[in-house]
Amino acid sequence: AQSVTQLDSHVSVSEGTPVLLRCNYSSSYSPSLFWYVQHPNKGLQLLLKYTSAATLVKGINGFEAEFKKSETSFHLTKPSAHMSDAAEYFCVVSEKAAGNKLTFGGGTRVLVKP
Amino acid sequence: DTAVSQTPKYLVTQMGNDKSIKCEQNLGHDTMYWYKQDSKKFLKIMFSYNNKELIINETVPNRFSPKSPDKAHLNLHINSLELGDSAVYFCASSQEGVFNYGYTFGSGTRLTVV
Repeated sequence: AQSVTQLDSHVSVSEGTPVLLRCNYSSSYSPSLFWYVQHPNKGLQLLLKYTSAATLVKGINGFEAEFKKSETSFHLTKPSAHMSDAAEYFCVVSEKAAGNKLTFGGGTRVLVKP
Repeated sequence: DTAVSQTPKYLVTQMGNDKSIKCEQNLGHDTMYWYKQDSKKFLKIMFSYNNKELIINETVPNRFSPKSPDKAHLNLHINSLELGDSAVYFCASSQEGVFNYGYTFGSGTRLTVV
């Protein structure tokens, strides 16, 4: 069975400072991992994905994530936060053996202070 | 040009009513999904269809009945609506065999049961 834990429900950063969103996963097989962002009252947008290629994955808007199998982690980072980064972020795992369904973490709300 | 479109965007209805949410994708994907996002932002899969066949049904009350007339459409019909059905419902699609490429989500339907 697959599962995802996002270690922080809320993260508050100042504009221009680094952002770190932590995610740990559990999977029986080789998973695919994703980060999605949801701005207030909007849909879900894919930030980046890991699909068993390079362990350091670069996404849109300056975000990147590193897959660490030994730690079962897939943390999301950005060197310098922007006001427009304020949103809800979801770490997601998918396994073909699970019928291709996505299992979502509980989400991390990011607040960016000016 | 919208890849995955849902209608309506907002739906307010009384308890006990029957309502439907429609979803269409123009990406040529084989698989479509319904996800439910509750008031705490938690997202969970409800159903998955592949080429009009049901492949995932995640312990959803049988008041919820998905219908897929063709692989580009997946509608969700809900009978005898209850207060607890209030949520945002997201439709999504993906291509069979490339599950690890991520999904495309619709913009969501906010259902409010009063």
